[in-house]
Amino acid sequence: GAGVSQSPSNKVTEKGKDVELRCDPISGHTALYWYRQSLGQGLEFLIYFQGNSAPDKSGLPSDRFSAERTGGSVSTLTIQRTQQEDSAVYLCASSLDWTSYEQYFGPGTRLTVT
Amino acid sequence: AQSVSQHNHHVILSEAASLELGCNYSYGGTVNLFWYVQYPGQHLQLLLKYFSGDPLVKGIKGFEAEFIKSKFSFNLRKPSVQWSDTAEYFCAVCGATNKLIFGTGTLLAVQP
Repeated sequence: GAGVSQSPSNKVTEKGKDVELRCDPISGHTALYWYRQSLGQGLEFLIYFQGNSAPDKSGLPSDRFSAERTGGSVSTLTIQRTQQEDSAVYLCASSLDWTSYEQYFGPGTRLTVT
Repeated sequence: AQSVSQHNHHVILSEAASLELGCNYSYGGTVNLFWYVQYPGQHLQLLLKYFSGDPLVKGIKGFEAEFIKSKFSFNLRKPSVQWSDTAEYFCAVCGATNKLIFGTGTLLAVQP
């Protein structure tokens, strides 16, 4: 079946602009996660959704970062007023539900802030 | 706080050599442990996982890992590596919350 999909695959933006990154989880998966992979910081957790609610937002690095999930499916990660340090690969993962620890990752969105 | 340490950042092996990648974690409660692999140009894939039971777990492609609770370790092993095992390997822990805490990764290069 289809895996986790993310769009766009690559995004180049100018410093100060807002960007939206999209994640489509595996059909039927109710838990959704965002991570960030960067050279300096490795793989970092950002936020976790169970259904449409986010019980854990502890990894969001600043208030410029926000995420939402509607209909228990697609999620959007928004970065406002992008900075160069936001350049990274943003990964989305999903799992069957909150009791399932096995997460399946998408291909990521490579964000470059110039 | 949870943390994961991978001591080998870059490993170079010849084909047929044995592999062991170290992983230590810090967490006081019940943990779920994972090894993920990222092949060049591909996304993260689950290699193997430990939740409970037999501490020696077997994953895909001949990989295995041993959970040693007393040492807070979950080392990855493979008796004989192949060129196609060239990839980056990440150890991760998942505790009471559902987030994965990753180690810094180990780049494995297998020379033919």
